[in-house]
This record gives sequence, structure tokens and C-alpha cells, in this order.
Amino acid sequence: KAGVTQTPRYLIKTRGQQVTLSCSPISGHRSVSWYQQTPGQGLQFLFEYFSETQRNKGNFPGRFSGRQFSNSRSEMNVSTLELGDSALYLCASSGSAGEKLFFGSGTQLSVL
Amino acid sequence: AQSVTQPDIHITVSEGASLELRCNYSYGATPYLFWYVQSPGQGLQLLLKYFSGDTLVQGIKGFEAEFKRSQSSFNLRKPSVHWSDAAEYFCAVGAAGGADGLTFGKGTHLIIQP
Repeated sequence: KAGVTQTPRYLIKTRGQQVTLSCSPISGHRSVSWYQQTPGQGLQFLFEYFSETQRNKGNFPGRFSGRQFSNSRSEMNVSTLELGDSALYLCASSGSAGEKLFFGSGTQLSVL
Repeated sequence: AQSVTQPDIHITVSEGASLELRCNYSYGATPYLFWYVQSPGQGLQLLLKYFSGDTLVQGIKGFEAEFKRSQSSFNLRKPSVHWSDAAEYFCAVGAAGGADGLTFGKGTHLIIQP
């Protein structure tokens, strides 16, 4: 089985731009979660989607949004980028509530 | 509010020596506890998890962890470390398997001395 795939692997953007990150979960997994990892704040939960519906949301501003498609692939969008948005963005998938998370390798976003 | 504390930012251990990484949590209900490992430039890999039952749980790569409710701790142990164990280790707590959002500690960076 292929693992969780995140694209692109690296991104460089400038302040004020917007960015879209993509995540393809493990085949058959319907839940996709997103996390932001920074040296200062560590790993923080962004949101979770299940069957195209956002079920859970962390404490991030509205500039951070996401969606999930019928094939369970998910995208995360950050608008009006700020320097502090520079981070490793990790996606994780699971089959259902109670199952363990499988993480992708992440997208490293640098905002200049 | 839930929280996880990993008091050791860095730990250096000689190859072949035993290892214990500390984790303390704060959670309002029965916690689901996890240990993840992250190698440089990679995502997180689950080492082990505790939901209920036996308080000593076995994981992959020879790791184990013990849940102590009275101390709100979930320490990770390994009897003999290998150079390949050098990585960042994260303790996490959540309401279930994690799909509804895990709270992670800041991590412990493990260095293995030859």
C-alpha cells in the first residue's frame, strides 16, 4: 500500500501570496488531518476532514482553510501569507475514528 | 485544556545503553497516549499507543512505555539503543486514535554517542 503523499515537497512564497498544499491519503482512508510544525510552537493541529466534511478544527486564523474531495484527497490553503507561516505542514490519514494516524513527509513552506 | 510536557529537550545516550524519555500530560478525561518518532526531513511514525488495559505497552523497534495515572506520565523506554534510534521523539495525547486532533509535546532530540 502506498503511504500518505504530500505535494509539493518544498515551496517558497512571498508575504501576501496564497498557497495550496495537497495530500493524498492511504487508499481506503477517509480521514485526513493537517498539522503545522515549527521550531517555536512545535506540532499544532490545524483541522481534520472526514468524508468531505470538516469535523474538527484547531486554533488557527481563518486564513487557514482546507477541503476534502470525494476521493478523500485533501488540500490546505493559506491566504495572505505571513512570515510566521513558514513551517513544515504535515498531513495524516486514518481509516476511522480510533485508528492510528499515518503521516506524510510534509511540505516545507518558506515565506520570504 | 490538554497539554503535554516533555521536560528534556535533548538527551545524549551511548550506543548500547538504556534510554528513558519522559512525558507528562494533562487531560480532562481518559487519555489516549502516543509516542511518535521523526527522522530529519520526514513525517512522524507511530512507535506505540495506549488506550486502556495493561499499563505497559510494547511498540515497534524494541520500545515500550508505561502509563502511570497517578503521576500523569507516559515514559518511553528502550533497554539498548542503536545509532539508528537518533531522532526526534514526540509524546502526544488525544481523545481517540487521533483523528480529532492530537496535542503534542515539544519533542526530545535523542543523540546517540558511539
